[in-house]
Amino acid sequence: DVKVTQSSRYLVKRTGEKVFLECVQDMDHENMFWYRQDPGLGLRLIYFSYDVKMKEKGDIPEGYSVSREKKERFSLILESASTNQTSMYLCASNRDTEAFFGQGTRLTVV
Amino acid sequence: RKEVEQDPGPFNVPEGATVAFNCTYSNSASQSFFWYRQDCRKEPKLLMSVYSSGNEDGRFTAQLNRASQYISLLIRDSKLSDSATYLCVVNPASGGSYIPTFGRGTSLIVHP
Repeated sequence: DVKVTQSSRYLVKRTGEKVFLECVQDMDHENMFWYRQDPGLGLRLIYFSYDVKMKEKGDIPEGYSVSREKKERFSLILESASTNQTSMYLCASNRDTEAFFGQGTRLTVV
Repeated sequence: RKEVEQDPGPFNVPEGATVAFNCTYSNSASQSFFWYRQDCRKEPKLLMSVYSSGNEDGRFTAQLNRASQYISLLIRDSKLSDSATYLCVVNPASGGSYIPTFGRGTSLIVHP
C-alpha cells in the first residue's frame, strides 16, 4: 500500500515561530509537492521538488521555504509564522501521472 | 484567469439522479487529466483518470475534449455516499515533470 505520511495532523503555533512540516513518501517518487488548501480557493501550489536538493517555486511561495535532502522526504518551512498562514497543508508525490497525498496538516497560527 | 476552472456548486441532487460536472483548462500542453474525490477534512484521493477515448468505471464516466479543453464527469444513479467535493486535476508538463494543477472543486450533496 503506497504511502505519503505527514508528521502531524494538527498543529497550533504562535505568530513569529519557525514551523517545520515534514512529509515522507515510500514510493521512490521523483516529484514532491506542497499545497495549501483554503475554503473557496482550492489547492494552491507552494513549492515543488523534482529531485534531491532541487526545488521550484509554485504559485504562492512567499513566506515559505522547503528542503529536500533525501528523495523520500520533503519539508516545508514557515520562517516566521503569521496568522494568514493558518490553513490545511497537503503534501503529495508523483512520478509521471497520478499524485498521492498525505493526510494533511491543519495548522493554526495564533 | 485560473488555469483550471470548475463550477463550485453545490449540486444538490436526490438519490438515483444523474449529475454531470465540467471542468475547463487553459494550458493546451496539458498531458494528463484526473478526477479526484475529497471528503470533508480528508485528503484528495484519485477517483479516475480521464482518457481521450473516454472511460467508465461503474456509475462514473469521464470524458476529455482536447479541442475545447474541457473534461467532464458523469455520475449515474447517485448514492448518498457520493456526497463529496470533486476536484478536476490537470497535469501540465514543466521541465520534464508533471505538476498537478487543481480546480477549486465542485461540491456534490446527494439527499434521500
